[in-house]
Amino acid sequence: DTGVSQDPRHKITKRGQNVTFRCDPISEHNRLYWYRQTLGQGPEFLTYFQNEAQLEKSRLLSDRFSAERPKGSFSTLEIQRTEQGDSAMYLCASSVNGNEQYFGPGTRLTVT
Amino acid sequence: AQKVTQAQTEISVVEKEDVTLDCVYETRDTTYYLFWYKQPPSGELVFLIRRNSFDEQNEISGRYSWNFQKSTSSFNFTITASQVVDSAVYFCALSEDEMDSSYKLIFGSGTRLLVRP
Repeated sequence: DTGVSQDPRHKITKRGQNVTFRCDPISEHNRLYWYRQTLGQGPEFLTYFQNEAQLEKSRLLSDRFSAERPKGSFSTLEIQRTEQGDSAMYLCASSVNGNEQYFGPGTRLTVT
Repeated sequence: AQKVTQAQTEISVVEKEDVTLDCVYETRDTTYYLFWYKQPPSGELVFLIRRNSFDEQNEISGRYSWNFQKSTSSFNFTITASQVVDSAVYFCALSEDEMDSSYKLIFGSGTRLLVRP
């Protein structure tokens, strides 16, 4: 059973550019979560999907952020017009219903 | 509001010492889950344990043990006979367990454990 995978692992972009990250959850996990982690802090919740439905979004998720999970499988997180404050590690996790969440390796975003 | 506090920012021990990582939580929910995750230098969060708020029994898994005390809202983690491979950042987390809950995790700020040879 493969774990959660994320792509790319690292992304360097210039301020103002758009970026998109992908997350492939553990197969048959119906719930998928996105978190953001900045240096020295714990991960913070961004948004959550149950199958293909996006059911909750954090107030941290500004209008420049959008997430999708078409067909309830992989998910994408897009950041438009990136800002330096968006630099962080973006973590994806999946679970079966309310059970423990398993995390991917993360995508480290650096906005220059 | 839910909150998790890990007051110890960094702990340094010598190999084979026992070490306890503290976690204090706040929640108004009557049912909830508590978690510990390990984040080694590679960066990937590794699940260690999940406990339901109704189950206050201590748990032991090899060199790891957890002490859950509802009366003090604490869920502490002890590593016995620490090893260099235990060096990592450890996160305590909380999620609600209500109907239609998202089960999103609320993390503490983490405790960095350094085990010296």
